[in-house]
Amino acid sequence: GQSLEQPSEVTAVEGAIVQINCTYQTSGFYGLSWYQQHDGGAPTFLSYNALDGLEETGRFSSFLSRSDSYGYLLLQELQMKDSASYFCAVRSDQAGTALIFGKGTTLSVSS
Amino acid sequence: DGGITQSPKYLFRKEGQNVTLSCEQNLNHDAMYWYRQDPGQGLRLIYYSQIVNDFQKGDIAEGYSVSREKKESFPLTVTSAQKNPTAFYLCASSPGQGAGSGANVLTFGAGSRLTVL
Repeated sequence: GQSLEQPSEVTAVEGAIVQINCTYQTSGFYGLSWYQQHDGGAPTFLSYNALDGLEETGRFSSFLSRSDSYGYLLLQELQMKDSASYFCAVRSDQAGTALIFGKGTTLSVSS
Repeated sequence: DGGITQSPKYLFRKEGQNVTLSCEQNLNHDAMYWYRQDPGQGLRLIYYSQIVNDFQKGDIAEGYSVSREKKESFPLTVTSAQKNPTAFYLCASSPGQGAGSGANVLTFGAGSRLTVL
């Protein structure tokens, strides 16, 4: 079956750099996505990696290694507003374009 | 602005009652999805639809039903058969499979929080 593993919690201070890891298990791979969700809000798309390597979008970067079934989200110059849950996701093996999500990593940024 | 509208935002239900959650999108997306989120949990797929008049069960479909009569609408009914319906329900949409990598970008509604009394 499919599964994604990510740490449940990460803490950091403002201005720091934090890395959220994600390992996945899936039979058909169509890329790794990352979503951000603030408490009580809707998840929003952050990034998508289909090929190995690093994708950079402003303060956020995402990395993928298909051979290791591993990826990470890197958040730089942390701000208080980055406190949220972060989910990695892969395309479902059996549900068309639906995504299967990890359980999420709660990031707490303190001053 | 294009987006997804879910209603109601909060809903209370007595045991044994069916309730329907509304989801409407104006993004012209082919695919729509319903996810359930419990505290400290990820999103679990309830139902999905790739095209009008067609939908498929996800991982936790028992006790739920859907319809897709229009491209824009994908309502979810939580039936009395759902043993533990108290949860946060999220509707999402995406371009269809023909959109290439764009199909991996889901747009979510603001969610509906259902509480069973």
